[in-house]
Amino acid sequence: GQNIDQPTEMTATEGAIVQINCTYQTSGFNGLFWYQQHAGEAPTFLSYNVLDGLEEKGRFSSFLSRSKGYSYLLLKELQMKDSASYLCAAYSGGSYIPTFGRGTSLIVHP
Amino acid sequence: GAGVSQSPSNKVTEKGKDVELRCDPISGHTALYWYRQSLGQGLEFLIYFQGNSAPDKSGLPSDRFSAERTGGSVSTLTIQRTQQEDSAVYLCASSRRGSGGNEQFFGPGTRLTVL
Repeated sequence: GQNIDQPTEMTATEGAIVQINCTYQTSGFNGLFWYQQHAGEAPTFLSYNVLDGLEEKGRFSSFLSRSKGYSYLLLKELQMKDSASYLCAAYSGGSYIPTFGRGTSLIVHP
Repeated sequence: GAGVSQSPSNKVTEKGKDVELRCDPISGHTALYWYRQSLGQGLEFLIYFQGNSAPDKSGLPSDRFSAERTGGSVSTLTIQRTQQEDSAVYLCASSRRGSGGNEQFFGPGTRLTVL
């Protein structure tokens, strides 16, 4: 089985940087995704990591350490529109079904 | 290039009634997933279809839940004898293939309310 842990809620100030952590325990590992979900909307893809290291994409970056079972999503130059839930999802080895964390609700305030 | 569509967007039903939820995946996507999301909760996996293979039904919470995927495209999730605890947003997602590394594209969801 799998277990995904991420903080329930975080708050940050507009223009700041925030790091959302995700830890996972899986039987094997085959990739980790981050999705963004605004209230009342469907999740949308942000990033994918399968190898160790940092993947940068504009204001958003995602990091993975397979040996530690750890990932983070880094959001820079926060904007009010970044207020959303951020979902971490991991695939265990050989599985076609990702396990999602409960999501981290990020509140960006002026 | 339409995305994943779902219908209806909202469904209110009475306890004990049957409901059918529909999902149209992105054309060419062989993998299709159904999830359930309750308020403030993560995504709960329900069922997975890959091409014409037998579906993975391991996430279905009870035998009141069933799903079909016709012609490797459109899928219908059926909930029989609905209960109040079935109230949730039901999300459908598709991806090019079902393996890790393939991002999922989600539909807007169907909000089900069982009175």
